[in-house]
Amino acid sequence: EPEVTQTPSHQVTQMGQEVILRCVPISNHLYFYWYRQILGQKVEFLVSFYNNEISEKSEIFDDQFSVERPDGSNFTLKIRSTKLEDSAMYFCASSLLRGGSNTGELFFGEGSRLTVL
Amino acid sequence: AQTVTQSQPEMSVQEAETVTLSCTYDTSENNYYLFWYKQPPSRQMILVIRQEAYKQQNATENRFSVNFQKAAKSFSLKISDSQLGDTAMYFCAFRERSGTYKYIFGTGTRLKVLA
Repeated sequence: EPEVTQTPSHQVTQMGQEVILRCVPISNHLYFYWYRQILGQKVEFLVSFYNNEISEKSEIFDDQFSVERPDGSNFTLKIRSTKLEDSAMYFCASSLLRGGSNTGELFFGEGSRLTVL
Repeated sequence: AQTVTQSQPEMSVQEAETVTLSCTYDTSENNYYLFWYKQPPSRQMILVIRQEAYKQQNATENRFSVNFQKAAKSFSLKISDSQLGDTAMYFCAFRERSGTYKYIFGTGTRLKVLA
């Protein structure tokens, strides 16, 4: 069964370093998303991406964050200069249709745990 | 702004028993979707069940069913005949029917099924 895959599963970085989290969405999906969950808190929406551009982003997704689909298969989240508060689990998701359309289903990856020291 | 609240951080249930996970939400919208996602340890979140707010009938998927109370803004998940494989984190989520791509999630309920 096709699934969303994410790498790395865990990354430890120093504050101020750049981090790139990678995702391979399901191959025929058109909409891509990043969510994050700080330990013990809610899963929060960061950004959605369609047709090679951001379609919606949250207030969390500031200038330190960027997303890219560089080669038609990968979908990356870059954090330019990490802060301690960026430590979280980052989930990539994809859907065939907008927001999962009327089926509403997002397909998630296993998550990438980012620890900023 | 929409919010989703799961007031039970952890629950446990004996195998073969029934358990109910609570979820409440707040919205001024009339049309929206509600979901329960399951995340087993070290695995992806997968959709368990969805409910469309304009449908009065409660959704069911095999052993999983919901009690959707629109007026009370409540959306609980009932798991019947619990199995060890049901051990997971369960997230309740909300999405407007149109106009947005984003889902609003609760903090999750960690469910442990005991043998």
